[in-house]
Amino acid sequence: GAVVSQHPSWVICKSGTSVKIECRSLDFQATTMFWYRQFPKQSLMLMATSNEGSKATYEQGVEKDKFLINHASLTLSTLTVTSAHPEDSSFYICSARDPLDRLSNQPQHFGDGTRLSIL
Amino acid sequence: LAKTTQPISMDSYEGQEVNITCSHNNIATNDYITWYQQFPSQGPRFIIQGYKTKVTNEVASLFIPADRKSSTLSLPRVSLSDTAVYYCLVGDPRQAGNNRKLIWGLGTSLAVNP
Repeated sequence: GAVVSQHPSWVICKSGTSVKIECRSLDFQATTMFWYRQFPKQSLMLMATSNEGSKATYEQGVEKDKFLINHASLTLSTLTVTSAHPEDSSFYICSARDPLDRLSNQPQHFGDGTRLSIL
Repeated sequence: LAKTTQPISMDSYEGQEVNITCSHNNIATNDYITWYQQFPSQGPRFIIQGYKTKVTNEVASLFIPADRKSSTLSLPRVSLSDTAVYYCLVGDPRQAGNNRKLIWGLGTSLAVNP
């Protein structure tokens, strides 16, 4: 089945540091990937939709200059949290659809998430 | 916006069948209903997807009535390892094609007890 790999799985860094998270589709090409954030005991909140070769589409209230998204190839999207602060600490998850998935509505396949802790 | 409503939590025991019902009154004609499972500190995992009537796979069944305003995920003979949060989702009817977004509710936290 379709596999999405996310790296790193966790990161701890000082306030003011920029952190890059990678999301890769391992056995399929994904023209679209999604980035989510999840706080403890809460649901997934969509941050942005990443489109290969074009600008990402950000959800309302998400600062595009704070959360930089690059989708330079069909198998890799990156999320960079710039000048991270403690309030950015969260669980970040990416997902992608396999356009060749046999299911009619092509469910999203998720990475295992990145636990970001800003001190 | 298509929204879903699920019970916040459920308790069960090993070996029992668990049924989780989700309401989605504003589901669009072309939307599918998808269920995901999430363990702590992991990404969601696809369980099952359906459009109408009944769908069954190796881990679960999905029952969808004719009006499609609700759906029921059925987990046969649960084990301790089925303790997780279960999310019911329908596609965002404002979106089209492959960029259709999913709107996530709070899910149902299922606790399976020995």
